Amino acid sequence: NAGVTQTPKFRVLKTGQSMTLLCAQDMNHEYMYWYRQDPGMGLRLIHYSVGEGTTAKGEVPDGYNVSRLKKQNFLLGLESAAPSQTSVYFCASSYSIGLAYSYEQYFGPGTRLTVT
Amino acid sequence: AQSVTQLDSQVPVFEEAPVELRCNYSSSVSVYLFWYVQYPNQGLQLLLKYLSGSTLVKGINGFEAEFNKSQTSFHLRKPSVHISDTAEYFCAVTGYNNNDMRFGAGTRLTVKP
Repeated sequence: NAGVTQTPKFRVLKTGQSMTLLCAQDMNHEYMYWYRQDPGMGLRLIHYSVGEGTTAKGEVPDGYNVSRLKKQNFLLGLESAAPSQTSVYFCASSYSIGLAYSYEQYFGPGTRLTVT
Repeated sequence: AQSVTQLDSQVPVFEEAPVELRCNYSSSVSVYLFWYVQYPNQGLQLLLKYLSGSTLVKGINGFEAEFNKSQTSFHLRKPSVHISDTAEYFCAVTGYNNNDMRFGAGTRLTVKP
């Protein structure tokens, strides 16, 4: 049971390049999230998904797109990277108990992205 | 939307001393409150959560937090810290909708020998 994994762990991009970050979870969780972590700002939600085939915007969605074609995977895309997107990106997943949220999020180890 | 403020960005403390990490929240609706810990180069791990019931919540690794509605606070405490508690601690809040979790800026706890 690997929990939440993220690929890659590190990446350096030039301004204008594109890339996709992959998040995978093996816990059969319904909900998945992408956050960015910046110094002094905590974590901010980029996009989230409440189930396979559904996505929604979070607090800071601009410049990012996401897809959830399979329940266990949640992809985060940067179409044209900018230096302002230099950050550490965390994926998380969560589940419900019947109709109730569990309110516990399980986090991956993070991806450190630098855009030059 | 709800928000949290962590009042201390850094807290240095000696081993075996008590510690309190402070968190205030603001929300116009019922809140659910959390403390997460992040060890170096790792993801976040849930320490404890307050959803309802007793205002004193016990978590893992000997930590506890008290929900104080009148003071809109959710401070984290440990009576005796260890070197291994050195990490960054995040307070977080959400409403009924689990998909709008707001995190504080973090408090870096450094435990010195």
